[in-house]
Amino acid sequence: NAGVMQNPRHLVRRRGQEARLRCSPMKGHSHVYWYRQLPEEGLKFMVYLQKENIIDESGMPKERFSAEFPKEGPSILRIQQVVRGDSAAYFCASSPPSHSGDTEAFFGQGTRLTVV
Amino acid sequence: DAKTTQPTSMDCAEGRAANLPCNHSTISGNEYVYWYRQIHSQGPQYIIHGLKNNETNEMASLIITEDRKSSTLILPHATLRDTAVYYCILMKTSYDKVIFGPGTSLSVIP
Repeated sequence: NAGVMQNPRHLVRRRGQEARLRCSPMKGHSHVYWYRQLPEEGLKFMVYLQKENIIDESGMPKERFSAEFPKEGPSILRIQQVVRGDSAAYFCASSPPSHSGDTEAFFGQGTRLTVV
Repeated sequence: DAKTTQPTSMDCAEGRAANLPCNHSTISGNEYVYWYRQIHSQGPQYIIHGLKNNETNEMASLIITEDRKSSTLILPHATLRDTAVYYCILMKTSYDKVIFGPGTSLSVIP
């Protein structure tokens, strides 16, 4: 059972371009979370999705950022018109559809976005 | 969700037990105590979690006080590879969003 897969691992974009970050959750997991970690800072929650639904986007910047988790395929975090301040590590996590607290979320190894 | 407080940093000698404390005095009855860690530049890694009873797995032990207001993560024989930031987090369900505080930066020293 492969873990949470994120790609690309490293992404370089020029200012004004679009960045697309992909996350394939673990098999059987229907909950996906995205986090951002700015250089030398902590992990900040961005958005929580279930298949085809955004459940909580309280941590998403109001502009330029969007996320989706389609019925088929990976979850995508899209950043339009990137700026230097978007340079960060973006982590994805997934968890199974459990209604108890007795499972855990698994994290991918992240995508490191550098805006030049 | 209730908040947790952890020491900012700790040192531990290699081969010794690392005991990482966490205070959660306002924990509610249905909140689990979860521990994650982040080794530099890597994705966070789940360590262990518990509700009331002490728990042990291949990585660590979790000791929760009877009143559940505090807990201790124990790494029985710390190695250099255990140097990381350790996060104590409260969650009601497994699909709660994980909210990371500053955590404890553990340095294992040769």
